[in-house]
Amino acid sequence: NAGVMQNPRHLVRRRGQEARLRCSPMKGHSHVYWYRQLPEEGLKFMVYLQKENIIDESGMPKERFSAEFPKEGPSILRIQQVVRGDSAAYFCASSPDPVRSSKNIQYFGAGTRLSVL
Amino acid sequence: KQEVTQIPAALSVPEGENLVLNCSFTDSAIYNLQWFRQDPGKGLTSLLLIQSSQREQTSGRLNASLDKSSGRSTLYIAASQPGDSATYLCAVRPLDSNYQLIWGAGTKLIIKP
Repeated sequence: NAGVMQNPRHLVRRRGQEARLRCSPMKGHSHVYWYRQLPEEGLKFMVYLQKENIIDESGMPKERFSAEFPKEGPSILRIQQVVRGDSAAYFCASSPDPVRSSKNIQYFGAGTRLSVL
Repeated sequence: KQEVTQIPAALSVPEGENLVLNCSFTDSAIYNLQWFRQDPGKGLTSLLLIQSSQREQTSGRLNASLDKSSGRSTLYIAASQPGDSATYLCAVRPLDSNYQLIWGAGTKLIIKP
């Protein structure tokens, strides 16, 4: 049973380009969470998605950032017109239904490290 | 607003020592607290999860305690080994959320052989 898979592991973009980060949840998980970790800081919640639905995007910047989790395929975090401040590690986690699971343990991927030149 | 603080930010100790990592949180209304390990270039590994009704959890050489009323948790590592070198993060799940985790900035631990 593969864990949470994120790709690419490293992504280099020039200012103004687009970044697409992919996350495939663990088998049987339909809930995905994206977090951002700036250097020397803790993780910050960005967005929570179920299949085809955004449940909570309160931690995601209103401009340039978007996320989706289609019926088929991985979840995508998309950053348009990247700036140097977007350089960070982006982690994805998945879980079973958090309402039904009393512990709601989130399983994390290895992250995508985005560097903006 | 819940805030999580980890002290120290970095720690270097000789192999074999017992050590304690600290995590404090400002709001005691939490559902649980988790300790994670983060290795460079790798993902996060959950080490221990303590429910708010529990006082401690143990796994091998690791023991995590929780004092919800004082807003503190400690991670105790016995007989440290070079392989324990990593960044240790704690995260709390607030009572008013089924899924959000609030994270500390981590303690970077180096165990010297």
